[in-house]
Amino acid sequence: DAKTTQPTSMDCAEGRAANLPCNHSTISGNEYVYWYRQIHSQGPQYIIHGLKNNETNEMASLIITEDRKSSTLILPHATLRDTAVYYCIVRVTGANSKLTFGKGITLSVRP
Amino acid sequence: DVKVTQSSRYLVKRTGEKVFLECVQDMDHENMFWYRQDPGLGLRLIYFSYDVKMKEKGDIPEGYSVSREKKERFSLILESASTNQTSMYLCASSPGGPKMNTEAFFGQGTRLTVV
Repeated sequence: DAKTTQPTSMDCAEGRAANLPCNHSTISGNEYVYWYRQIHSQGPQYIIHGLKNNETNEMASLIITEDRKSSTLILPHATLRDTAVYYCIVRVTGANSKLTFGKGITLSVRP
Repeated sequence: DVKVTQSSRYLVKRTGEKVFLECVQDMDHENMFWYRQDPGLGLRLIYFSYDVKMKEKGDIPEGYSVSREKKERFSLILESASTNQTSMYLCASSPGGPKMNTEAFFGQGTRLTVV
């Protein structure tokens, strides 16, 4: 699986959009981009994933660049409950598929 | 409601003991994973399994073994627990095969302390 790099931390104001970047310059054509988040003392939770098109669900939007070497997770109206560690990973779907996390980015939403 | 259940939330064991951490999923998932999480180090993959009786080493398998005798259950074994294995252990499962979404589901974690 390709490696990803994320900033260590960032913050944003409550009610504003939080844009979390991720670089995955060695991504392969059959690898999806997944985002998870982990709120303190809980197991990670799936947010969204995509292959090459932009995706949106009730939690967030995922913007993947045309060359697929980077992506941005957008939380459109951040709340205090969005304070968490966010992990960007790339993964081949299918059997025998490893699932490896990095250190993630710590998002702090301030009042 | 999908579920990954880890047998204990908190566990205290003595150095040298054999420790079993159990994980059960009810989603008929092919893939199961064991991680440990330590401050500043993120989630690190210990072992994963993509089928019954099949296992693959992750990034930090030393000092651990695993067992998957049934599809729904994946056990992590510390043959002789040491203090440097004090950590939060997380289990996860995900679908296998050529599916479009192989979202992983995590258990709540087991905080193991080895004294």
